This record gives sequence, C-alpha cells and structure tokens, in this order.
Amino acid sequence: KAGVTQTPRYLIKTRGQQVTLSCSPISGHRSVSWYQQTPGQGLQFLFEYFSETQRNKGNFPGRFSGRQFSNSRSEMNVSTLELGDSALYLCASSLVGLDQETQYFGPGTRLLVL
Amino acid sequence: AQSVTQLDSHVSVSEGTPVLLRCNYSSSYSPSLFWYVQHPNKGLQLLLKYTSAATLVKGINGFEAEFKKSETSFHLTKPSAHMSDAAEYFCVVTYSGNTPLVFGKGTRLSVIA
Repeated sequence: KAGVTQTPRYLIKTRGQQVTLSCSPISGHRSVSWYQQTPGQGLQFLFEYFSETQRNKGNFPGRFSGRQFSNSRSEMNVSTLELGDSALYLCASSLVGLDQETQYFGPGTRLLVL
Repeated sequence: AQSVTQLDSHVSVSEGTPVLLRCNYSSSYSPSLFWYVQHPNKGLQLLLKYTSAATLVKGINGFEAEFKKSETSFHLTKPSAHMSDAAEYFCVVTYSGNTPLVFGKGTRLSVIA
C-alpha cells in the first residue's frame, strides 16, 4: 500500500506570497492532519480534517488554512508569507483519527521564505 | 494542558551499548503514547505505541518502552545501539477522542563507532 505523499517536496517563496501544499493520504484513510516543524518551536499541530470537515485546529493565525476533498486528499494554504513560516510541513493520515490510531507521516514539504 | 517532556535534547552512545531516551507526560486522563523517529530529511516513522494494553511495549528495530503510570514516564530503550539508530526521536502523547498529537521537543541520538 502506498504511503502518504506530499507535493511539492521543496518550495522557495518570497515574503507576501501565498503557497499551497498538497497531501495524499494512505488509501482508505479519512483523517488528515498537518504539522509545522521548526528548529525553535518543534512540531506543532496546525489542523485536522475528517470527511471534508475541519475537526481540530491548532493555535496558528488565520493565514493558515486548509481543506479536504471527497477523496480525502488535503491541501493547506498559507497566505501573505512571513519569514517565520519557513519550516518543514508534515502531513499525517489515519483511518478515522482516533487517539489510539497510528498516524502515518509523509516526507514533508520544506518551505523556505525569503 | 497536555504536555510531554523529553528530558534530554541530545544523547550520545557508543555502538553496541544500551540506549535510554527519557520521556515524561502530563497526566489528566489515560493517555495514548507513541515514540516516533525521524532520520535526516525524512518524515516521521512510528517506533511503538502504548494504548492501555501491556505496559511494556515492543517496537521495531529492537526498541521497547515501558509505561509507568506512577512516574508518568514512557522511556524508550534499546539493548544495543547500531549506527543506523542515529536520528531524532520524538515522544508523543494524545488523549481519548480525536485530540491532536502533542510532541516533545525531540532527543537527538548520536551513535559513536
């Protein structure tokens, strides 16, 4: 079974631009979560989608948004990019997102904001 | 608030010697606990998880962890380190329902030949 895939793997943007990242979960998984990883803050939860609905949201500004499609693929969007948005963005999927389920992570998208 | 503390930011061991990576969690309810590993420029891979069954959990690559409720700890161990174990290790907690994962700051494991 194919793992979680994320595209693109690397991205360079300038301040003020916007960016869209894509995540394809493992087949059959309906829950998709997004995390931001930085050296200073570590791994922080952004949001979780289940059946096309945002079910949980972390403590990030409204510039960070996401959506999920009927095939469970998810996108996250960051508008008006800031230098501090440079990070590794990780996507994880699980069957239905319950606490005891394993979340399977993709390789991440590394975003550099100049 | 849920939290998890990894007591060491960096651990260095010699190849063939035991590994101990320490983790404590905040305890309000029954947690689910995980250890993930991240190799350079890679995503996160699950090593093992505790979900209220056996308190001693065995994972992949010879790693295991023991859930100790009285100490609110979930330390990761391996009897004999291998060079390929060099990576970043994250202790992760979540609670009942569909609450998001809460990550520790990570412990970087170095293995010296």
